[in-house]
Amino acid sequence: EIVLTQSPGTLSLSPGERGTLSCRASQSVDTGYLAWYQQKPGQAPRLLIYAVSSRATGIPDRFSGSGSGTDYTLTISRLEPEDFAVYYCQVYGRPNTFGQGTKLELK
Amino acid sequence: QVTLKESGPALVKPTQSLTLTCTVSGFSLTSSGMRVSWIRQPPGKALEWLARIDWDDDKFYNTSLRTRLTISKDTSKNQVVLRMTNMDPVDTGTYYCTRETFRSGVDHWGPGTLVTVSS
Repeated sequence: EIVLTQSPGTLSLSPGERGTLSCRASQSVDTGYLAWYQQKPGQAPRLLIYAVSSRATGIPDRFSGSGSGTDYTLTISRLEPEDFAVYYCQVYGRPNTFGQGTKLELK
Repeated sequence: QVTLKESGPALVKPTQSLTLTCTVSGFSLTSSGMRVSWIRQPPGKALEWLARIDWDDDKFYNTSLRTRLTISKDTSKNQVVLRMTNMDPVDTGTYYCTRETFRSGVDHWGPGTLVTVSS
């Protein structure tokens, strides 16, 4: 069973800065089915990135995903005020598991 | 427009069973590649994937919860049902019904339903 470890647990940044969030898998994600979600308080999560690097419909191009094997990264090129939220990575398909989340907070 | 909506009890007692229903619209549960998953989130904690049923009726479960979960679908009603037995206070949380497609991950989420387990 794949375990996903996200780092850091909390990331404190300012608007306009670049955000880099990490997701490490306990074994290689051979299918390439790695996604990223954003969740704001009181809301359901929203799909940002699927298949490692494909942006979901309507997602701004400041969000990008990359990685391979066991190491994956979500990059937000220039933070907007609405980007401060919790971010989760997920392996989907089979198996299906989430990381524990990274909270992106306002510095 | 794809929508999913969860329904079920807000409060269950310890040791009781929970039955949640997800009513979907905007897509067919039998269309190739369509999958419906249940995902939960305890208050202030991370997301946890529970179970999934595919368009061809294949079913998959969280290995840690496998013995307590049953997922099924009623295509005539456009509904997916999740049953969880032997509920415990640690099962308290928001339960989400979601649509997952073959390659694109979980692209639609229901609003979630809060289930509290307490005597």
